[in-house]
Formats: sequence, structure tokens, C-alpha cells
Amino acid sequence: NAGVTQTPKFQVLKTGQSMTLQCAQDMNHEYMSWYRQDPGMGLRLIHYSVGAGITDQGEVPNGYNVSRSTTEDFPLRLLSAAPSQTSVYFCASSFETSGSRNEQFFGPGTRLTVL
Amino acid sequence: DAKTTQPTSMDCAEGRAANLPCNHSTISGNEYVYWYRQIHSQGPQYIIHGLKNNETNEMASLIITEDRKSSTLILPHATLRDTAVYYCIVRTGGTSYGKLTFGQGTILTVHP
Repeated sequence: NAGVTQTPKFQVLKTGQSMTLQCAQDMNHEYMSWYRQDPGMGLRLIHYSVGAGITDQGEVPNGYNVSRSTTEDFPLRLLSAAPSQTSVYFCASSFETSGSRNEQFFGPGTRLTVL
Repeated sequence: DAKTTQPTSMDCAEGRAANLPCNHSTISGNEYVYWYRQIHSQGPQYIIHGLKNNETNEMASLIITEDRKSSTLILPHATLRDTAVYYCIVRTGGTSYGKLTFGQGTILTVHP
């Protein structure tokens, strides 16, 4: 299994440009999430999905859109990039049951700079 | 989810045990304690979790106080590769839909 993969690894955008960060997992996980991490900070949840066709907002959703058409993929779209969106973006997936483990698997991250 | 408090940074000598504390005084009865770590520039990695009993796996041990208001993550023989940011997270099990709330964590530095 490749686990959680993210592309691209690095990206530089100009203010106002749009782009899509890709995330895929091959573990058949129901739950997928996007986080951003600013320097010296912990991760903050942007959007999450509990299954194909179902998404919801996290703590910092403004400026981002998501969709989940398949179990495997969960792309994150920046509609009009702003310098405040310069960050490292992590995608995660998990298979949750009524039990407790709920281990989340994280991708390697995408480092985005908006000029 | 309950809030957690961790020291900003800690040091440990290689080969010694690293004991990382976490306070979660507002934890409720159905909330679990999770530990993740993030090695520089990588995505966070799950370490261990527990409800009220002490837990041990191949990576670490988790000691939870009887009143569940605090816990300690123990890395029994720290190596240089254990240098990372360690996050203590409290959340309900099975109903959080993949959401984790990260604080700033503890920066653990293991030195030779």
C-alpha cells in the first residue's frame, strides 16, 4: 500500500491564482481530512469528509473548497490564492468504527507559497 | 473535545527514558487520550492511545492517572530519531469523523 499520497510536494502561486492540491489513499478509509500547518503552530482542520459525496467544514474553511466523488480521492481547491494561505498542507485518512483506535494516517504534505 | 496542556520543550539524553507529561483536567468520561508525533517536515504519526488503563505498544507506554486528568507518554530508550514534536490530543472515540484538534505540542530534543 502507498498509504496517503499528496501532490505536488511544493508549489508557488501568485496572489489570485487558483489550484488544486491532490490527496489519495489506497486503504479504503471512510474518513479523510485536510489540515494546514503554519510555522511554529499545530495543525488546524480545514475540511473533512465522512465518505464519498459527504463533506463538512473544519476550523479554518474560508478560501478552500473540497469534494469527494470517490472513496480514494479528496482534492483541496484554492479558489483565489492569498499570501495568508502560505502554509504546509496535510491530508489524512482514517477508518473509524465505534471503537477507539481511530488512527489517522497522514500524507507527506504540500508546501505552498503564495506571493 | 477537552483542551490539553503540554510543556513547550523538553530534553532527553540518548538511551534514557523520555517522559512527556500532558494535562487534560476537563476530560470527560468518553474521551480518549491520543499521542501523535511529528518529525521535522513530515506528517504526524500515531503513537498510542488510551481511555483509563495504562497502555504499551512497540513505540511507547502511556500512563493515565486514576482521575484521568493527566497522562504521561514514555519513550523507554530514546534515540536521536525520536527528536520530534509530540502532541497530546483528547477526543471522543468513534464519533469525531476523522477530526483531530492539535495544540502546539512538546518539542522533544534527544541529544547524544
